[in-house]
Amino acid sequence: QVQLVESGGGVVQPGRSLRLSCAASGFTFSSYGMHWVRQAPGKGLEWVAVISYDGSNKYYADSVKGRFTISRDNSKNTLYLQMNSLRAEDTAVYYCAKSMRWLRAFDAFDIWGQGTMVTVSS
Amino acid sequence: EIVLTQSPATLSLSPGERATLSCGASQSVSSSYLAWYQQKPGLAPRLLIYDASSRATGIPDRFSGSGSGTDFTLTISRLEPEDFAVYYCQQYGSSLVTFGQGTKVEIK
Repeated sequence: QVQLVESGGGVVQPGRSLRLSCAASGFTFSSYGMHWVRQAPGKGLEWVAVISYDGSNKYYADSVKGRFTISRDNSKNTLYLQMNSLRAEDTAVYYCAKSMRWLRAFDAFDIWGQGTMVTVSS
Repeated sequence: EIVLTQSPATLSLSPGERATLSCGASQSVSSSYLAWYQQKPGLAPRLLIYDASSRATGIPDRFSGSGSGTDFTLTISRLEPEDFAVYYCQQYGSSLVTFGQGTKVEIK
């Protein structure tokens, strides 16, 4: 079935780096835009970044621009989020999510992963 | 950045009642590119409505969306026990996707 599975979360010190992965299955990964969304403990949803189906276009929330990099490997059906210069306020559950319609980057998110927790603390 | 403001923050209702959730945008949402999601504790959000008024696959017809421009509404015609959750609106009409802060629908 259609599935997204995140991995790579954990506890990291402020200023350090972490890379999240999102493994996709059950659909043609290379035909859909993909997103990262985060949710701080007890808070609402915050969009983080999007990458187009072919990786040619990327957009970021102002809060992570210059520190986070979204990428994808369509040969491995995997989405990534490289997070550098981490701050306490980056502590959250990070979800990957799929754009609903074929070839669209900006769209509703019809499939979500289960999330991976990132804690930034000394 | 388009700011989405949801109201009320909390809605206290009984099963069988009608729920009306609002989402206001700071500027017009392009092509009514607005979605609604349901989230239960410990779980990922679930898409309910896209393009302001289209139900996602498998979503019961008691859920409906309406609106355009800057004012959008999610209506749950008769609340079922499984509908008590937090609901978020989201706009995807600009290159900076944004979410509302959420409305919690709780059992009265």
